[in-house]
Amino acid sequence: GAGVSQSPSNKVTEKGKDVELRCDPISGHTALYWYRQSLGQGLEFLIYFQGNSAPDKSGLPSDRFSAERTGGSVSTLTIQRTQQEDSAVYLCASSTSGTGTNEQFFGPGTRLTVL
Amino acid sequence: GENVEQHPSTLSVQEGDSAVIKCTYSDSASNYFPWYKQELGKRPQLIIDIRSNVGEKKDQRIAVTLNKTAKHFSLHITETQPEDSAVYFCAASIGGSYIPTFGRGTSLIVHP
Repeated sequence: GAGVSQSPSNKVTEKGKDVELRCDPISGHTALYWYRQSLGQGLEFLIYFQGNSAPDKSGLPSDRFSAERTGGSVSTLTIQRTQQEDSAVYLCASSTSGTGTNEQFFGPGTRLTVL
Repeated sequence: GENVEQHPSTLSVQEGDSAVIKCTYSDSASNYFPWYKQELGKRPQLIIDIRSNVGEKKDQRIAVTLNKTAKHFSLHITETQPEDSAVYFCAASIGGSYIPTFGRGTSLIVHP
């Protein structure tokens, strides 16, 4: 079946602009995660959605970052007033449940470059 | 919160050699330990995982061992092949806490 998809695959923007990154999780997966991967770095947790529960936003680095998940499916990560340090690959992952002990299926990522 | 340390950051081996990557964790309540492989330019994919009720798990050329007392777990790859070249991430999570903590990754290079 179809895996996790993300769009766009690449995004180049100018400092100060807003960007929206999209994630389509695997159908039926209730848990959705956003991570940030900077060059040569690990996976930095950003935000987590589980079903219709309030999201866990504890990993968001600043109030310029926000995310929503509509209808328990598609999610959008928005970065306002982008800065050069926001340049990274943004990965989305989904899982069958939100217990943290199930395999996460990752999308291909969106490479964001802020000039 | 949980803290996961991963070593080494880079590992270079000759084809056919074994490779070992080690991770330590801080929270004794962690009970799920997955390993993900990320090939260059591709998405991370789960290659093996272990739960705290077992000490070792094998899948062909890869194995993972867990020492709960010492709070460390390791990935072992035998008879390495060039296609094993990738970045490997370990992670630890507590059932019910839903957010795994990832290590910083190990870049494995297998020279033919």
